[in-house]
Amino acid sequence: EDQVTQSPEALRLQEGESSSLNCSYTVSGLRGLFWYRQDPGKGPEFLFTLYSAGEEKEKERLKATLTKKESFLHITAPKPEDSTTYLCAVWEYGNKLVFGAGTILRVKS
Amino acid sequence: NAGVTQTPKFRILKIGQSMTLQCAQDMNHNYMYWYRQDPGMGLKLIYYSVGAGITDKGEVPNGYNVSRSTTEDFPLRLELAAPSQTSVYFCASREDTYEQYFGPGTRLTVT
Repeated sequence: EDQVTQSPEALRLQEGESSSLNCSYTVSGLRGLFWYRQDPGKGPEFLFTLYSAGEEKEKERLKATLTKKESFLHITAPKPEDSTTYLCAVWEYGNKLVFGAGTILRVKS
Repeated sequence: NAGVTQTPKFRILKIGQSMTLQCAQDMNHNYMYWYRQDPGMGLKLIYYSVGAGITDKGEVPNGYNVSRSTTEDFPLRLELAAPSQTSVYFCASREDTYEQYFGPGTRLTVT
């Protein structure tokens, strides 16, 4: 049973067209939710950590939000350099993260 | 700081061969992790370590072994390579906060 599900699998946007990515989770005791970006051929790069429902974090054109069942990564007026794969991961207990499969974002100019 | 480094970047193995994937970090992190990433799948945890001399299995440990003799190094050993081990392998480390920092990866093909 998947604990972390990301949607959509892929998203194409025009430059400036705002949208949101979704990360839903089924873990019972969430201790933290993480967003990463991963460029082709590279390792994941940390973006945000969210610890409790209602929390929000922002960085440039990205804003991450958290509810009790899901997280959204809002992308405002995206640029081509925002094209990458966005990964979501949850920390339930112990020392381990569980990752979703990712959303591939393509922003065309 | 170099962060997390991994060698080699690419490797092709024949079925039944063995090899060691190297991982090193210069951030003095106690926690280190090995993941594999297959197309369309999330990162799967192979092994992890909470400090020198302490390792534990993750979600997909079969066919792999690890050791942690120093804080800096966390090598991953593949014994008797199989085609199912074709993947991209990532090493990561973290401090007491939970943000993990990843290396650039090793792309392994077993034929």
